[in-house]
Amino acid sequence: AQTVTQSQPEMSVQEAETVTLSCTYDTSESDYYLFWYKQPPSRQMILVIRQEAYKQQNATENRFSVNFQKAAKSFSLKISDSQLGDAAMYFCAYRSIQGAQKLVFGQGTRLTINP
Amino acid sequence: DSGVTQTPKHLITATGQRVTLRCSPRSGDLSVYWYQQSLDQGLQFLIQYYNGEERAKGNILERFSAQQFPDLHSELNLSSLELGDSALYFCASSGGDEDSNEQFFGPGTRLTVL
Repeated sequence: AQTVTQSQPEMSVQEAETVTLSCTYDTSESDYYLFWYKQPPSRQMILVIRQEAYKQQNATENRFSVNFQKAAKSFSLKISDSQLGDAAMYFCAYRSIQGAQKLVFGQGTRLTINP
Repeated sequence: DSGVTQTPKHLITATGQRVTLRCSPRSGDLSVYWYQQSLDQGLQFLIQYYNGEERAKGNILERFSAQQFPDLHSELNLSSLELGDSALYFCASSGGDEDSNEQFFGPGTRLTVL
């Protein structure tokens, strides 16, 4: 079974600075998807960024980018120019390509933005 | 707005009772997923339906059941409720393409069991 680990329960960063959230996963599959979801105080789950394992290029969405290290099974999220609205819980998630399409989530990292 | 709707938003009930949570997927999405978010267990997958058929099961208790109707909406039934069932229950949907990789989440139903 696949597992996802987020080793940082909490992180904080100064507004306008850069922060990196860590995620590692365990799988025996060669093809899969990885995601970062944001959960603000409203509790809505919002997709931030996705990465297909077969793509070597790291995904980027505006101020959000990932560092995908397939061999190391690492998938970190970098937030540049942090804004107050980035404050939220961030969840790393794994999804198989074959078989069950369920998302397997990490425990989450609570990100605080200091003005 | 993800396009996925869930009702009710909040539900307060007593132990031993039975409740039904409802989910309407995005227009055109055939897959519906149910997840439970609790303080001690985090976000856990419960069950997936695809076009009316059960596709995958996760850590869903025998007291819980779900179904997906011909109009593709889904219901999650929770019975013999216990205090530990208090959680945020999310429904998510994804596209008709089986390989569609993005799941769109509804706003959740907050269940409180007293």
